[in-house]
Amino acid sequence: AQSVTQLDSHVSVSEGTPVLLRCNYSSSYSPSLFWYVQHPNKGLQLLLKYTSAATLVKGINGFEAEFKKSETSFHLTKPSAHMSDAAEYFCVVTFNYGQNFVFGPGTRLSVLP
Amino acid sequence: GAGVSQSPSNKVTEKGKDVELRCDPISGHTALYWYRQRLGQGLEFLIYFQGNSAPDKSGLPSDRFSAERTGESVSTLTIQRTQQEDSAVYLCASSRGTVSYEQYFGPGTRLTVT
Repeated sequence: AQSVTQLDSHVSVSEGTPVLLRCNYSSSYSPSLFWYVQHPNKGLQLLLKYTSAATLVKGINGFEAEFKKSETSFHLTKPSAHMSDAAEYFCVVTFNYGQNFVFGPGTRLSVLP
Repeated sequence: GAGVSQSPSNKVTEKGKDVELRCDPISGHTALYWYRQRLGQGLEFLIYFQGNSAPDKSGLPSDRFSAERTGESVSTLTIQRTQQEDSAVYLCASSRGTVSYEQYFGPGTRLTVT
């Protein structure tokens, strides 16, 4: 069975410092992996996705993630946090031709001034 | 055109009543998904439609839940004999296809069962 683990339920960083949101997955097949962001009272938005092309994926708003098959990880990073990055972030894995997207429990990112 | 729309945006209902939630996907999107998000939690997959294929209902929590989709257009999620534990935000998403295609999410319907 496939599953997604987001190791931190809450991450707090200061503005201008790096962001690291961790994601590990379990899948018997080669997965497609996504990061979505959910701002308060707004809909879910795709940040970036990995679909067996380059292992380092760049997304919107300066975020990027690296697929590491040996570690079954897809951690999300950003060099310098901005106040507007405060939101809930979900790591998502899918296989089986997209019939079942499995969402991680989410990590709430707080950015302190 | 417009994004995914859902109606109503908010629904308050009494325990035991039936409710129907509607989703209008982006035109041309063949895949449609329903999710449930309880307060402070992640998304829980409910059901998936892809074109004219049989839907994947593996995520529906009980037989009180059902969903239909007419062709590649509107979908309705019906919850019969609502219970308080059904209170959640119900999210709909559509995509152009499967595997690597991005899902576009609607704003959700907040359901409160009193």
